[in-house]
Amino acid sequence: GAVVSQHPSWVICKSGTSVKIECRSLDFQATTMFWYRQFPKQSLMLMATSNEGSKATYEQGVEKDKFLINHASLTLSTLTVTSAHPEDSSFYICSARSSGDHNEQFFGPGTRLTVL
Amino acid sequence: GQNIDQPTEMTATEGAIVQINCTYQTSGFNGLFWYQQHAGEAPTFLSYNVLDGLEEKGRFSSFLSRSKGYSYLLLKELQMKDSASYLCAAMDSNYQLIWGAGTKLIIKP
Repeated sequence: GAVVSQHPSWVICKSGTSVKIECRSLDFQATTMFWYRQFPKQSLMLMATSNEGSKATYEQGVEKDKFLINHASLTLSTLTVTSAHPEDSSFYICSARSSGDHNEQFFGPGTRLTVL
Repeated sequence: GQNIDQPTEMTATEGAIVQINCTYQTSGFNGLFWYQQHAGEAPTFLSYNVLDGLEEKGRFSSFLSRSKGYSYLLLKELQMKDSASYLCAAMDSNYQLIWGAGTKLIIKP
């Protein structure tokens, strides 16, 4: 199956700093990428949908200025958590969907963010 | 509105069979997915159904009834490694996945 990577796998940062998470589709072109957040013992929560070359579509309640998403190429999307606070500590997962194939999302391994 | 319902938690015995049910309501429908997620890891794809009926894949099978808005995941010959959360997700008319909260499956020896 298709492979999606995320970097870093885990990150610890101080409150007030910004953290960038990269999501890459390694062997296919992803016209659409999704960013999810998952708190302990809860289900995935879609944060935003990102289409290559256009602005991301954010879900209700997700701050656009805090969670900056860039999908500059067909293989890379980035999520930047700006001015991170302890309540932003979570498991962030990206998934990618290839062009012409609406029927499956391939997940990255996730990034665990801990904000001190 | 769009909604996915599945049980919060189930317990089963090693070697047994367990069925995890899922009901869905979406704006349009482009298929039903099941994912497995172990604690601290990302979800992994298990199955996809878009037509009515049963899809079998080794120890795992998935069933769909579009008229009833219902699916189930059947796990046979349960192994301890099957302890995980099982996520049901329906794809709507915009090809967006609507996720259930997940069913935590506990396998006991």
